[in-house]
Amino acid sequence: EIVLTQSPGTLSLSPGERATLSCRASQSVGSSYLAWYQQKPGQSPRLLIYGASSRATGIPDRFSGSGSGTDFTLTISRLEPEDFAVYYCQQYGSSLLTFGGGTEVEIK
Amino acid sequence: EVQLVESGGNLVKPGGSLRLSCAASGFTFSNAWMSWVRQAPGKGLEWVGRIKSKTDGGTTDYAAPVKGRFTVSRDDSKNTLYLQMNGLKTEDTAVYFCTTMVGYHLKYWGQGTLVTVSS
Repeated sequence: EIVLTQSPGTLSLSPGERATLSCRASQSVGSSYLAWYQQKPGQSPRLLIYGASSRATGIPDRFSGSGSGTDFTLTISRLEPEDFAVYYCQQYGSSLLTFGGGTEVEIK
Repeated sequence: EVQLVESGGNLVKPGGSLRLSCAASGFTFSNAWMSWVRQAPGKGLEWVGRIKSKTDGGTTDYAAPVKGRFTVSRDDSKNTLYLQMNGLKTEDTAVYFCTTMVGYHLKYWGQGTLVTVSS
């Protein structure tokens, strides 16, 4: 089973700042198989990025994904108030899915 | 509009059983691969299991912690996904989400249903 490790656990930033979230895999993940989700308190997760770098429908272009192999990054270019949330990466491999432990982006 | 509505969550004793349902609408359910994902209180997301469409074989896969205890099934005539949970443990306490699986990611999510396993 591929283990995903997200860092940092918590990111304290101000609106307008840039957020860089990391997702590291215990073994190589195909780029097609890496996705990112956003979850706000009391809500279901929402798909942001799939295929490592493709934005889902309706996702603003301030969200971008990059990376390959074992290292992937979600970048939020300028934080808006509604972006403060928890973010999860997810991979698909050997017919199984796994999630990272999440990064909380909180208001500084 | 895609809608996924879970139901069946409840309080159950350790060792007990429960069946969750997910009513789907707004897309061709029979063609969809579907997954269950859970989230323990205050914790992260954990994938539970997946069922392929019947045209793709209708096969299932499960995460290690639930394999042999949980069963994912579907009734395409009712546009409904199920999760049969047997031998429940306290660590199965979580909100259970029904999701559509498109490619290798989870595109649409229901609002979740809470399962509490406690004596």
